[in-house]
Amino acid sequence: DGGITQSPKYLFRKEGQNVTLSCEQNLNHDAMYWYRQDPGQGLRLIYYSQIVNDFQKGDIAEGYSVSREKKESFPLTVTSAQKNPTAFYLCASREHRDTEAFFGQGTRLTVV
Amino acid sequence: ILNVEQSPQSLHVQEGDSTNFTCSFPSSNFYALHWYRWETAKSPEALFVMTLNGDEKKKGRISATLNTKEGYSYLYIKGSQPEDSATYLCAPTNAGGTSYGKLTFGQGTILTVHP
Repeated sequence: DGGITQSPKYLFRKEGQNVTLSCEQNLNHDAMYWYRQDPGQGLRLIYYSQIVNDFQKGDIAEGYSVSREKKESFPLTVTSAQKNPTAFYLCASREHRDTEAFFGQGTRLTVV
Repeated sequence: ILNVEQSPQSLHVQEGDSTNFTCSFPSSNFYALHWYRWETAKSPEALFVMTLNGDEKKKGRISATLNTKEGYSYLYIKGSQPEDSATYLCAPTNAGGTSYGKLTFGQGTILTVHP
């Protein structure tokens, strides 16, 4: 089955700790994206990558970091510098700029 | 930040009503306009990707139009059903420049269809 897998579904961390969210796709897509959703708000773009070993900041990149060492993987690290890390995080990928995006199931991160 | 506006923010309709909502975006450097449906407890799913001015796309009871010169797209749902209840998101993309490949979403329109 082709798709995008985010793990885990729920994640709890203590304040001040870094945490890495996993996103893996077996769709052979070039582009991958990370979004954040807060209650009552839409999807806000954190980082995106058009190709392996390259990525760009989205609209709310502060306090986050990413890597794109493999085509199928785009992990997101929420650092201790992120002031309000508790949120729902969605990963997406698409084949190229002419095509639609496919989304993972999301990870709900709670920092206590 | 790509300025994307969707209206209305939320909409309540009765089963059988037809409805429509709007996505507004900057018309300069336009490349494509995406529409997605996001049902509760599921992942967003693509409805349409539109690129040509005047383009119209249809999937069942849902259709969309695109005006790239004035920077807007309409999504129409004919004969709304309770299963159409979802958040509808749009995302314009640019032709190039520093935001090449960027996919930025509007706030969405939350549609609730009452039986």
